[in-house]
Amino acid sequence: DTGVSQDPRHKITKRGQNVTFRCDPISEHNRLYWYRQTLGQGPEFLTYFQNEAQLEKSRLLSDRFSAERPKGSFSTLEIQRTEQGDSAMYLCASSLSGPSSGANVLTFGAGSRLTVL
Amino acid sequence: SQKIEQNSEALNIQEGKTATLTCNYTNYSPAYLQWYRQDPGRGPVFLLLIRENEKEKRKERLKVTFDTTLKQSLFHITASQPADSATYLCALANDYKLSFGAGTTVTVRA
Repeated sequence: DTGVSQDPRHKITKRGQNVTFRCDPISEHNRLYWYRQTLGQGPEFLTYFQNEAQLEKSRLLSDRFSAERPKGSFSTLEIQRTEQGDSAMYLCASSLSGPSSGANVLTFGAGSRLTVL
Repeated sequence: SQKIEQNSEALNIQEGKTATLTCNYTNYSPAYLQWYRQDPGRGPVFLLLIRENEKEKRKERLKVTFDTTLKQSLFHITASQPADSATYLCALANDYKLSFGAGTTVTVRA
């Protein structure tokens, strides 16, 4: 297992275009998270999946954002009609939950950097 | 609302010295607290975890303390090395959700 993979690493787009990011978590991890990080700030929670179910979505997330995790494996994060304020690093993380897994420690991917012109 | 505050200014220290980072929080009762390291252009990497009923944890040159009365965690890097230069993030957790501070950037001079 090579850890959490994210694609693309960098995306430059024009305002109004749609973009999609993909995350491949560690295969045995059942939890998957999306965070957003801007310069000088810590990661900000966007959404969380337990297997294929999306269990929480941040109130900060507008309707232009949608995330899926079909079959509880990889996940996609789509941003429709991008705005300049969407420019950020989008981080995916995964973890394993269960009676014997202990505390929730996240393994992050390298991130997908979005620049909206 | 919940608030997590870390040293707002970057920390510059001489190699061999101890770096001490602070994480304060309000309106939160975390079950545990975690520290992550983040290098430029990379995702955070987990370092240490400390539970609410633990006072101190150590891992090699790293030490973390957790005071739930003061609502504060201290993170120490002893015998610092230039390779320790990075941004360090604290994260508070209850069950599945981690909330992060803004991080403190540490630069270790040779």
